[in-house]
This record gives sequence, structure tokens and C-alpha cells, in this order.
Amino acid sequence: DGGITQSPKYLFRKEGQNVTLSCEQNLNHDAMYWYRQDPGQGLRLIYYSQIVNDFQKGDIAEGYSVSREKKESFPLTVTSAQKNPTAFYLCASSMSGDTQYFGPGTRLTVL
Amino acid sequence: AQSVSQHNHHVILSEAASLELGCNYSYGGTVNLFWYVQYPGQHLQLLLKYFSGDPLVKGIKGFEAEFIKSKFSFNLRKPSVQWSDTAEYFCAVNQPYNTDKLIFGTGTRLQVFP
Repeated sequence: DGGITQSPKYLFRKEGQNVTLSCEQNLNHDAMYWYRQDPGQGLRLIYYSQIVNDFQKGDIAEGYSVSREKKESFPLTVTSAQKNPTAFYLCASSMSGDTQYFGPGTRLTVL
Repeated sequence: AQSVSQHNHHVILSEAASLELGCNYSYGGTVNLFWYVQYPGQHLQLLLKYFSGDPLVKGIKGFEAEFIKSKFSFNLRKPSVQWSDTAEYFCAVNQPYNTDKLIFGTGTRLQVFP
């Protein structure tokens, strides 16, 4: 079954903790993306990667980090430096220059 | 900076009513345009897209959108909505030579009542 998987679906974190959100795709897409979705604000780009071992900051990268060691995987770490981490996080992938397709999302709540 | 405006934040319709959701963008050059839909509890899905050619684009589930370059608009339409169209709809835009920067509107929540 081809597609984009994100885990976990729900994640709870205590203040001051780092957490890592998983994103895997088996679509053989070159590019992968992380977005944050907040009510009434649409989606905002956190980080993106066009090729393995390379990634760029999006519009709201502060407090987040990523890695791209494999083509299929693009994990996102929400660090303790992120001031307001409670949100819905969406991962996407695409062939370069083409349409982005989205995973099911991870809802992160900071307690 | 490029931006996308969706002026209808919340739309409530009865089944069989016609739908038009507005989308305007700020960039004056060549653009790619998208409508995505997020049904309750489901993935964000592509509804339709415009890259070039016929400005009237047909998508899944009877939706269509018209690109009007002079008005910087890409409004989404459906002649007769169904209860199953209840969802949040997002307009998005990027540039052909910078496709990684996909800019989203704030979304329109559509509720359809039987």
C-alpha cells in the first residue's frame, strides 16, 4: 500500500522535553516537507528537503530540527525551544516540481 | 511576500445548494494553483490543480475551479453540494520555478446540512 505514514497519531509531551515525529514515504518522492496546522491559520512550512542529506528552513523553523538520512524518511524533532508546540503536524512529499501529497498528521499536545 | 486569501472562513449550506469558495493570491507572475480538502479525521487530499492550459479545471467529486488571471483568483465551485462535502477546504499557490514554497490560505470550513 503506497503512501505517506506518520507516527504517532497523537503525542503528548511535557514542557521542556524534545519529541520526534516520524514521517515515511514509499512513493519514491525526492522532496519531503513538514508543515504545522493551527486553527484559522492554514498550513505553514517548517522545513523541507529536496534530496538526501540536505534540507532548508521554511517560514517557521525556529524550535524545530530535521534530518534526511534516507530518501524515505524525514523525521521532525520539536525541541524545548519551540515556544508554542501544541499543533497538528503534517508531512508531505512530492516529485520535484510536482504536486505535494500529505500524510495523516500527528497531533502534538504539550501538557 | 506571496500570500493567499480565502475570505469565506465558515460556510453553511443545505444539500443541493450551489457552492462557490473564493481564493485570491497576491503574486503577479506565473503560478501553480491548488485546492486541497480535509474531510473530518482524514488526510489532506488534492481536489484539483491548475498548472497551465484551460483555466477551467475539473477535479474529483464534481468540483471545478476557474483561474482568472486578471483577478488573481482561483475560485472553487460545485453546482450541488452533498452532506459528504462537509470538510475544510484550502487554496494553495506556488511558482513553477520554486515549487517547494507552497503557500496556503487559512482555509474555509464548509458545513452541509441534509
